[in-house]
Amino acid sequence: KNEVEQSPQNLTAQEGEFITINCSYSVGISALHWLQQHPGGGIVSLFMLSSGKKKHGRLIATINIQEKHSSLHITASHPRDSAVYICAVEKTSYDKVIFGPGTSLSVIP
Amino acid sequence: EPEVTQTPSHQVTQMGQEVILRCVPISNHLYFYWYRQILGQKVEFLVSFYNNEISEKSEIFDDQFSVERPDGSNFTLKIRSTKLEDSAMYFCASRDTGTVLYFGAGTRLSVL
Repeated sequence: KNEVEQSPQNLTAQEGEFITINCSYSVGISALHWLQQHPGGGIVSLFMLSSGKKKHGRLIATINIQEKHSSLHITASHPRDSAVYICAVEKTSYDKVIFGPGTSLSVIP
Repeated sequence: EPEVTQTPSHQVTQMGQEVILRCVPISNHLYFYWYRQILGQKVEFLVSFYNNEISEKSEIFDDQFSVERPDGSNFTLKIRSTKLEDSAMYFCASRDTGTVLYFGAGTRLSVL
């Protein structure tokens, strides 16, 4: 069983829609990361969180440590948000970060 | 804004040859990583490096792989005898205490 699961695997949305990507994990963690991988392959970190909620612009990330679950929300989605969104967990601080399979998001104008 | 730099962007090599992938992490970062992504698959952890030594490595990181930080700025990944299955995008990343990971643009390794 994969230690990090994401849903959905693929997501198509209309511009302006509210988007939610879910992540569940099966191990104890020190932190959870959300990352974005552009079509060209580059990886950008969006959030690192160990509790509660973080917001940056139109992106919101939440985590529930007891339920081993995190969500990434995108408000007022835009075609430039089209990318693969990856959830990754860090079991021991600063060591191995285990990546989930990613959610491929396509936002249509 | 500071960035992680990787060279070359694309490396083509013959099976059995040695390759060295180079990375310049962000200055003053303390933690360094190599990840790889085989085409169409998820990103996989290879190795983490801190205080001039490996802090953790994956099952993928066998005796054919080694890392070095020879001069306080470069961070290299060496594959001694490349195999076809080593073909992948290799990402270097660095971070400071309490920060997110900062990734380089990657080196695409093609083993023929």
